[in-house]
Amino acid sequence: DGGITQSPKYLFRKEGQNVTLSCEQNLNHDAMYWYRQDPGQGLRLIYYSQIVNDFQKGDIAEGYSVSREKKESFPLTVTSAQKNPTAFYLCASRRGGRSYNEQFFGPGTRLTVL
Amino acid sequence: DQQVKQNSPSLSVQEGRISILNCDYTNSMFDYFLWYKKYPAEGPTFLISISSIKDKNEDGRFTVFLNKSAKHLSLHIVPSQPGDSAVYFCAASGSSNTGKLIFGQGTTLQVKP
Repeated sequence: DGGITQSPKYLFRKEGQNVTLSCEQNLNHDAMYWYRQDPGQGLRLIYYSQIVNDFQKGDIAEGYSVSREKKESFPLTVTSAQKNPTAFYLCASRRGGRSYNEQFFGPGTRLTVL
Repeated sequence: DQQVKQNSPSLSVQEGRISILNCDYTNSMFDYFLWYKKYPAEGPTFLISISSIKDKNEDGRFTVFLNKSAKHLSLHIVPSQPGDSAVYFCAASGSSNTGKLIFGQGTTLQVKP
């Protein structure tokens, strides 16, 4: 089955620690995205990547970092510089190219910083 | 500055009736719109989309209407079923190249049996 996996489902970290969230897709999609969801708010874009070894900042990139060394993988690191890291993090992928098509989402990771 | 707005945080309808979820946008450069459905602690799932060259798109029980002059779109669900109870997000895109989406805040739909 093709899809997007995110691990772990729940993650707890102490304040001041960096943490990396995993996102893997086997859909052969070119583009990948990271969003954050807070209660009562929509999804906000953190980073996105259209091809391997290239990525761009989204609307709320401060305190986060990403890498795109493989087409299938787009890990997100939440650094100690992120002031409010506790949130629900969603990874998505899209076929890419110059045509409109939908993004497919993973199941999400709930990060809680204690 | 909220470019995509869903002004109704919640909506409750009776099973079998029509559910109408609304969404407004401010950026006239948006030319592709999508609706996603989300259950708690899960990722959103794509429902239906519409490009700005159309004013209506239908897929089974789901129909999306686009009024470009009013910068307004709506999702109609007919008939509503209890399993439709979820949070619905509208999203807009103005770049086919990057595929970046701007999401509304979401509307929680409750369909009562």
